[in-house]
Amino acid sequence: EAQVTQNPRYLITVTGKKLTVTCSQNMNHEYMSWYRQDPGLGLRQIYYSMNVEVTDKGDVPEGYKVSRKEKRNFPLILESPSPNQTSLYFCASSLSREQSGANVLTFGAGSRLTVL
Amino acid sequence: SQQGEEDPQALSIQEGENATMNCSYKTSINNLQWYRQNSGRGLVHLILIRSNEREKHSGRLRVTLDTSKKSSSLLITASRAADTASYFCATDGNNAGNMLTFGGGTRLMVKP
Repeated sequence: EAQVTQNPRYLITVTGKKLTVTCSQNMNHEYMSWYRQDPGLGLRQIYYSMNVEVTDKGDVPEGYKVSRKEKRNFPLILESPSPNQTSLYFCASSLSREQSGANVLTFGAGSRLTVL
Repeated sequence: SQQGEEDPQALSIQEGENATMNCSYKTSINNLQWYRQNSGRGLVHLILIRSNEREKHSGRLRVTLDTSKKSSSLLITASRAADTASYFCATDGNNAGNMLTFGGGTRLMVKP
């Protein structure tokens, strides 16, 4: 089944304890992206990757890192989490606009992160 | 930054009624997409309308686009309780990063 898989789905952690949220897609998509969703603020893009070894900042990159060493994986790293990073996180992927003519995203199921 | 703004923020209707949600945006776009999100779950793509199209249908969904007014509407006909979800418009402005810009969403509740 074509899908985007995120792990963990739920995590409670403490301030300063490094964590990684993994994201993997099995659709051979070039484009991958991370969003966070907060009440009243909608979805905001954190980082995106147009292809392997190519990453760039979205709207709200502060406090996050990403890497794209392989096409299928795009982990989100919180080096020193803080309470304001408590949020619902979504990974998404798509074919590139050049391949498909439009950027239609396939989303993962979400990772709910709480930082105490 | 939020480009699309949905209206209303919340909508409650009876099963069988039609539901209309509106989206306004600020800058020029290549296409506009609508996504659905069940509570706490990932978003699912519903329909895409390109900037040179005015109307598109998919099953019980009808989307219109008015680029002169920078607005779109999503109509769900003969709604069902299973349509209860949040609906988001997303604009593709051909900007850097293939980025879709999402609106704040409309929460639809369909009462059985």
